This record gives sequence, C-alpha cells and structure tokens, in this order.
Amino acid sequence: DAGVTQSPTHLIKTRGQQVTLRCSPKSGHDTVSWYQQALGQGPQFIFQYYEEEERQRGNFPDRFSGHQFPNYSSELNVNALLLGDSALYLCASTLDKGAEGIYEQYFGPGTRLTVT
Amino acid sequence: AQRVTQPEKLLSVFKGAPVELKCNYSYSGSPELFWYVQYSRQRLQLLLRHISRESIKGFTADLNKGETSFHLKKPFAQEEDSAMYYCALNGNQFYFGTGTSLTVIP
Repeated sequence: DAGVTQSPTHLIKTRGQQVTLRCSPKSGHDTVSWYQQALGQGPQFIFQYYEEEERQRGNFPDRFSGHQFPNYSSELNVNALLLGDSALYLCASTLDKGAEGIYEQYFGPGTRLTVT
Repeated sequence: AQRVTQPEKLLSVFKGAPVELKCNYSYSGSPELFWYVQYSRQRLQLLLRHISRESIKGFTADLNKGETSFHLKKPFAQEEDSAMYYCALNGNQFYFGTGTSLTVIP
C-alpha cells in the first residue's frame, strides 16, 4: 500500500488561473480531508469529503471547491488564483468508524503550488 | 474561538536531557487532542492522541483541562527526535498549531 498519494508534486500557476489537485486515499479509507499549509505555518483545514459529499468546511472562500469520486479519491479545485494561495496542499485520509469517530489521519506528501 | 497555540517555534535540547513541547488550546467543548510529527523529508504522521493515554517513542502527553494544555514530554531526548512537532485539536474541524521545530544536540 503506497499510502496516500497526491499529484502533481509541484505546480506553478499564474494569478487568475484555475488549478486542480488530486488525492488517492490509503487503501480502505473512505474519508478525505484537504489542508493548506503556508510557509512557517501549521496545516489549515479546508474541507472534508465523505460519501462523495462535503461534510465539513473550514474558513476558506468558495473559490476552493472539491469533489470525491466513488472510489474515494478526491480533487481540490481552486479558481481565480491569488498570490496568497501559494502553499503546500496536503491531503489526509481516514476511515470513518461511525460513533467511534475518525481520528488517525494519514497524510500525503503534498502538492506545492506556486502562484506567480 | 477554537485555537491551538504552540508558543515555541524553535526548541533545542541536548541528547539525554528532558524535553517538553508546549501546547495550549481554546475550545468550548470536550476536545480531542493530538500530537503530529514530521521528520525530515517525511510526511506528517500521528505521534499520539490523548484518548489513548499511551507512550509512543518515549513521548507522553497529558490533557490538562484546567490549564487547557496538552504538553508533549520525553524524559531523555534522542537525536532521532529532531523533527517538527504539531499539536492539533479535533473540534468541529481539525485545528493545527504552528508547530515547534525540535533539535536534539548530540
């Protein structure tokens, strides 16, 4: 099991463009969360997908949207890119255990997005 | 407001010395607290969580609701402990602190 995989590794975009980042969860996991990590900061929660629906959302504008596919993989889309969107984008997967909650997140290596 | 504060960005200790990485939180409900670690050139991974009350790699962390703290401790630091450590809270979403970079000096 390769664990959580993300693509691409690095990406350079121009301000105003749109970008799509991809994530494949760890085998057996059904829940995917996305985080933005700016330089020198901790990861900031963007949103979480479960059963192809957005279940939770952090304090990010609507320019940030996502999708989860039937195979549990996920995409993060960012429209109208701003310079401030430059960051490492992390994907994390978990297995929803219902009442037990979902706690152990497995993180991917991240996608480094640079907006110029 | 829900918040996780790690007051030290950098922390250096000598090998064999005790180490404590501080974490304070703000949350109105009953929080789930975690410590995550990122070793050089590796991905972020879970170190321990408060509900497990276990010791991982010699590290322990006790949730102190009175002081709203979840400090990470190890009695004798090892060189391989050098890494970035993040405290995190699972409330209505996951909140991470800004991290503490720990360097263990040989």
